[in-house]
Amino acid sequence: ELKVEQNPLFLSMQEGKNYTIYCNYSTTSDRLYWYRQDPGKSLESLFVLLSNGAVKQEGRLMASLDTKARLSTLHITAAVHDLSATYFCAVDRNSGYALNFGKGTSLLVTP
Amino acid sequence: DAGVTQSPTHLIKTRGQQVTLRCSPKSGHDTVSWYQQALGQGPQFIFQYYEEEERQRGNFPDRFSGHQFPNYSSELNVNALLLGDSALYLCASSFGLTSGANVLTFGAGSRLTVL
Repeated sequence: ELKVEQNPLFLSMQEGKNYTIYCNYSTTSDRLYWYRQDPGKSLESLFVLLSNGAVKQEGRLMASLDTKARLSTLHITAAVHDLSATYFCAVDRNSGYALNFGKGTSLLVTP
Repeated sequence: DAGVTQSPTHLIKTRGQQVTLRCSPKSGHDTVSWYQQALGQGPQFIFQYYEEEERQRGNFPDRFSGHQFPNYSSELNVNALLLGDSALYLCASSFGLTSGANVLTFGAGSRLTVL
């Protein structure tokens, strides 16, 4: 069974600080996704990582993938309040859209 | 361009009842997947429909069933509701069965409460 573990599950950080969210998964995978979810809202796609060493950046967020270590990271640079949300990583084992999600990291950015 | 639309947005049922949730995929998409998201948890894959057939299924009992129509819209049916079925049910659409570099587009969800 494919397991996806995120840590931390809860993160409170000050504006302007940097932090990294980790996503470990238990078996080989074709691709890894990062999604954002605001309270009461649906999932918004942030990044899709397709190969070992892949790095993608959008604004203050940067995601990377190490398939050998079965690890993805989501790095937050100079956090702002608008980044407060829950972030999920998800692994697609067979390229068929049946995603296995982690439990999510609830991020709160405070002044 | 309309994204994924789901209905109803909220509903309340009692144990033992049956519920039907509906989903219209994003324009241009032909594959629909359903996910269950319990409070405080990540979404869990229920099943996927393509060409009106169930193509993949997660670890959910037969009480959960679905259907896809010729216009690609889909329904999720849950019979004999249990308290534990209370969750946000998310529909996601995509094109084809192989993701490539594509991503799922999620709807806003249907929140089911079972009393």
